Amino acid sequence: DAKTTQPPSMDCAEGRAANLPCNHSTISGNEYVYWYRQIHSQGPQYIIHGLKNNETNEMASLIITEDRKSSTLILPHATLRDTAVYYCIVRATTTGTASKLTFGTGTRLQVTL
Amino acid sequence: GAVVSQHPSWVICKSGTSVKIECRSLDFQATTMFWYRQFPKQSLMLMATSNEGSKATYEQGVEKDKFLINHASLTLSTLTVTSAHPEDSSFYICSAITGRSPLHFGNGTRLTVT
Repeated sequence: DAKTTQPPSMDCAEGRAANLPCNHSTISGNEYVYWYRQIHSQGPQYIIHGLKNNETNEMASLIITEDRKSSTLILPHATLRDTAVYYCIVRATTTGTASKLTFGTGTRLQVTL
Repeated sequence: GAVVSQHPSWVICKSGTSVKIECRSLDFQATTMFWYRQFPKQSLMLMATSNEGSKATYEQGVEKDKFLINHASLTLSTLTVTSAHPEDSSFYICSAITGRSPLHFGNGTRLTVT
């Protein structure tokens, strides 16, 4: 799976949009971009994923550049409960053993009052 | 949907004893389950992959005789830490997948070996 690069930490004021970048310059054509977050002492929570089109769900939006070498996760109105480590992971959507996720170090997002 | 339940959420055991952790997919059948370990202030590290009805595949450096994985049904996988030692103290997290859906994770088990 392609490697990703994320800033180690970011701050965001409550109520503002949090924009979390991710570089994945070696992504292959069949690899999706997945975002997970991990709140302290909990298991990772799935947020969103996409291939090449921008995606939006009730939690966040995912913007993928046209060349697919980078993406941005957007939390439109961050709250204190969004404070977590956010992981950007790329992998081909497949089945079985190959569907494992390899976690990098992620971005620690701190939402402040 | 896609709920993964892990039990227990925390356990304390004495050195030399064994501990079993259960991972259940509550509303779907998990063809594959993964076990991760996370030490404080570190990222998740994959330990092993299990497919229902077959032997688990362990990552390099993970002792298969120490970390026994059983995936006897499409909704249950267990991880047994045998002869636990203090250095096995960690946060163990399972995840499950069916088909091409995203991976979903349990809430983890914090193991403390005294």
